[in-house]
Amino acid sequence: EVQLVESGGGLVQPGESLRLSCAASGFTFSNFWMSWVRRTPGKGLEWVANINKDGSEKYYVHSEKGRFTISRDNARNSLFLQMNTVRAEDTAVYYCARDAKLLRYWGQGTLVTVSS
Amino acid sequence: EVVLTQSPGTQSLSPGERATLSCRANESISNNYLAWYQHKPGQGPRLLISGASTRATGIPDRFSGSGSGTDFTLTISSLETEDLGVYYCQQYGSLPITFGQGTRLEIK
Repeated sequence: EVQLVESGGGLVQPGESLRLSCAASGFTFSNFWMSWVRRTPGKGLEWVANINKDGSEKYYVHSEKGRFTISRDNARNSLFLQMNTVRAEDTAVYYCARDAKLLRYWGQGTLVTVSS
Repeated sequence: EVVLTQSPGTQSLSPGERATLSCRANESISNNYLAWYQHKPGQGPRLLISGASTRATGIPDRFSGSGSGTDFTLTISSLETEDLGVYYCQQYGSLPITFGQGTRLEIK
């Protein structure tokens, strides 16, 4: 059974950094692209970034390019999202999902709240 | 980027009724790469339909997708109470992948 479990969310102040993690199981992690998607109250679901199988290709939504960094560790079956200089509008539930475009499996999400 | 507009925003129906959810794109979606997801509180979204009309594994046949180009529809033929949630359409034909704003389905 495919399982994706996100962690690392919480309350963070504007301007700070946060690193989200996603632990994958039930499939051969290194054979799949992976993605991060967030759900905000105002905008609904928004694709954030994706990464290819070996981590050599990364794509970001235009608005977050430069502040967010997606990465992966295939030896630990883990996906990461480094979020720098966070802003109030980054407040959202962040989901990791398997695959690059058609997102067949999703985790339950981790809540990030940016507030002073 | 491709903008998807879903309607209605909220639909309230009784068990056994038919639900029709619409998704309209501002430009033609290449290869009809349009998906539908069901999202319930506390869970990750669940893939229902891909390629506009292909049900994902394990999805009941009361769910069906149709449409092409810029206009797509998700139909739930006979609602069950477990079908409540928010339904999103998503295009994956071009980057950035984009989602509609969602239709909330309430069961009376």
